[in-house]
Formats: sequence, structure tokens, C-alpha cells
Amino acid sequence: NAGVMQNPRHLVRRRGQEARLRCSPMKGHSHVYWYRQLPEEGLKFMVYLQKENIIDESGMPKERFSAEFPKEGPSILRIQQVVRGDSAAYFCASSPSGEGYGYTFGSGTRLTVV
Amino acid sequence: AQSVTQLDSHVSVSEGTPVLLRCNYSSSYSPSLFWYVQHPNKGLQLLLKYTSAATLVKGINGFEAEFKKSETSFHLTKPSAHMSDAAEYFCVVSAPHNKLIFGAGTRLAVHP
Repeated sequence: NAGVMQNPRHLVRRRGQEARLRCSPMKGHSHVYWYRQLPEEGLKFMVYLQKENIIDESGMPKERFSAEFPKEGPSILRIQQVVRGDSAAYFCASSPSGEGYGYTFGSGTRLTVV
Repeated sequence: AQSVTQLDSHVSVSEGTPVLLRCNYSSSYSPSLFWYVQHPNKGLQLLLKYTSAATLVKGINGFEAEFKKSETSFHLTKPSAHMSDAAEYFCVVSAPHNKLIFGAGTRLAVHP
């Protein structure tokens, strides 16, 4: 069991470009969560998805950010027209059910906007 | 609403001495509480978890935490620090929809 796989580990984008972050959950896990960690801060919830459904997106910025978890393939967090303030570590976690907080976190994608 | 306050942003101890990382929480219902550890440029590892069973929770690597409802605290302790314990520690409280609310973190430094 490979755990939660995130790629790329590091991503550099110029201002105005698009960033696509991928997360493959653990085998058997159908619930995916995205969190953002700004420098010197704790993690902040962004979005909770099940296959083909967004369950809770209360932490997502209203513009430029979107997430999906298709029937086949990894979950994708997409940031359009990146700005310097988007530079952060983005962590994905997965769980086998929507309760019990049985998370497994990935190693994160560190996005740098230059 | 749920929130977490980690009372110290930095803690420095000598190797072999006790560790105390302090955490207070606020929750409108009986919460689950967690401590996670993050080593530099790494992901998060669960140290321990409280879910309304025993109030003293034992975790990995010799860490433990005590849930005190009257004080709304969930402090993390370890009797004897090792150099390998140097990392960032996050106190976390559960929130609806299986979400987690993280504290701002405490950076633990361990000196020889």
C-alpha cells in the first residue's frame, strides 16, 4: 500500500500561470481532503470530496481555485492565474469513510509562485 | 464553532529533559482531538488521538496527552526528549463533515 501519493512534490509557476496538483488516495479510500499550509502557519481546510462529488468546499477561495475527484484517476486541485500569495504547501489526505477522522496525509506539494 | 490555541510558538528543551507542549481547544460539542508532528519538508504523522474514551492517551514515540474537559486542554508530554523529536507539532480538533481544525503549531527544538 503506497499511501497517499501527491505529485509533483515541488512546483514552480510564474504569476498568471495555472497550477495543477494531483492526489491519489490510499487504496480503498474514497474520501479526499485538501488542506493548505501557508508559511509559518498551521494547515487550513480547503475542500472535501468524494468520487464525483464535492461534499464541503467552505475553505476554498471563491475565485481561481477548483477541485475535482473524478470516477477514475486522481483528485486534482487547480489554481488558475496564480499569484504570489498562493505560494504554500498543499496537503491532500484520504480516509475510508466520511467519519471517524481516520485521515492519512500525503507528503504535500510545495507551490512557489515567482 | 471549533478552534485550537497552541500556547507556545517555540519550545526549547535539552535532550533527556521532559517535553510539554500546551494546547487549549474550543468546541460546541464533544470533540475528537489529535496531535500531529511534521518534520522539516515532510508530511504529517499522527502522534495520538482522543475520541471520548480514556482521558490519558498514549501515542507513538513515547508521547502522551491528557484530555481535561474542565480546563479545555489537551497538552502533549514526553518524559525524556530525544534529538529526533525536533519538529513542528500541531494540536488539532475535529469539526463537522469530518474536517480538522489545526492550531498554528509549536516548533520544538532539542539541544544536546
